[in-house]
Amino acid sequence: SQTIHQWPATLVQPVGSPLSLECTVEGTSNPNLYWYRQAAGRGLQLLFYSVGIGQISSEVPQNLSASRPQDRQFILSSKKLLLSDSGFYLCAWRVAKDTQYFGPGTRLTVL
Amino acid sequence: GESVGLHLPTLSVQEGDNSIINCAYSNSASDYFIWYKQESGKGPQFIIDIRSNMDKRQGQRVTVLLNKTVKHLSLQIAATQPGDSAVYFCAEREAGNTPLVFGKGTRLSVIA
Repeated sequence: SQTIHQWPATLVQPVGSPLSLECTVEGTSNPNLYWYRQAAGRGLQLLFYSVGIGQISSEVPQNLSASRPQDRQFILSSKKLLLSDSGFYLCAWRVAKDTQYFGPGTRLTVL
Repeated sequence: GESVGLHLPTLSVQEGDNSIINCAYSNSASDYFIWYKQESGKGPQFIIDIRSNMDKRQGQRVTVLLNKTVKHLSLQIAATQPGDSAVYFCAEREAGNTPLVFGKGTRLSVIA
């Protein structure tokens, strides 16, 4: 069966510090991968998605970047965090026409 | 871009009653629709999905109805339980590799 992992689960970072969030998927090949951000009590904002290794589509211009160094690995990064980067970051995957599944999320607080 | 919206942002239901959560979408090219349940502090959990060639699909205690004529999607939960309390999101997408477009979410509160 397929499993999606995200780490860390929670993170507190100072403004101006770098960020690296990792997402990995097990049990599937060549998935579409997605990064979403969710502000407290709000909806899901798509940040990036990838249909293959090295292919990244950016949905919202911002302080973040994404990379896909391996088929089942998706990384969200920032060189300098802003207060507005705080939120709940969710990774998701799907294969072909199948259902999209979400990971457990990372709670990021920027102080 | 086009988006998916919800009629009701909050819904309170008595335990044991049926719940109906509604969703309106605007993209007539959407051919796949899905409902998620999100509990506090957790990632969204898949509930049920439906493709545009269907107008009804049933799962365990849940039913999704799709009305393509008026671009309306609904989630029905039978015999609502306290564990059903969560935020529910609808989402839709076009055919191919396009990403899901999410609605704003409805918070369901079950009154014991």
